[in-house]
Amino acid sequence: RKEVEQDPGPFNVPEGATVAFNCTYSNSASQSFFWYRQDCRKEPKLLMSVYSSGNEDGRFTAQLNRASQYISLLIRDSKLSDSATYLCLWRSFQKLVFGTGTRLLVSP
Amino acid sequence: EPEVTQTPSHQVTQMGQEVILRCVPISNHLYFYWYRQILGQKVEFLVSFYNNEISEKSEIFDDQFSVERPDGSNFTLKIRSTKLEDSAMYFCASGGNTEAFFGQGTRLTVV
Repeated sequence: RKEVEQDPGPFNVPEGATVAFNCTYSNSASQSFFWYRQDCRKEPKLLMSVYSSGNEDGRFTAQLNRASQYISLLIRDSKLSDSATYLCLWRSFQKLVFGTGTRLLVSP
Repeated sequence: EPEVTQTPSHQVTQMGQEVILRCVPISNHLYFYWYRQILGQKVEFLVSFYNNEISEKSEIFDDQFSVERPDGSNFTLKIRSTKLEDSAMYFCASGGNTEAFFGQGTRLTVV
């Protein structure tokens, strides 16, 4: 089983839609989790940390479910500028492990 | 926001040549990483570095690769004899106790 699995998409949604991505992980000792956003030919940029209690930042909500070993990202009221690849990442200090990324395309 | 800086932004090299990719991590971070991303593919882990030594490396990080922190600020990735398949974006990352940040990457083209 891969360390981190994501549906690669693409997810095609209209502006204003709500979209959710999930990411499953296999290492139960994983220490911390994050969502990154990557635009084409650019570096991954930290979007938000993920906590069991949930983490909300404007239109974005991230959640960690340790029992089921998955993390989620919810984007409300999608904007054209949200089009990107969203990468989940788990971190031990020795390693940062990325999922394959989920591509989101928001259309007018 | 703190920044990880990588140079050069783009390097073209002939097959068989050595290249050194440079990174300046965030100053109070202790964990450093190199990743690569072949065009259209996922971000792949190469190596992590802590306390002046490699803490983990992937199977990609073979004897052709080495890392160094020569002067307490720079963090370098050396590829000894480049191959065509080394062409990729190389990202450096640095991490504190929680979050990790990536540099803007070096696009390496081997011809």
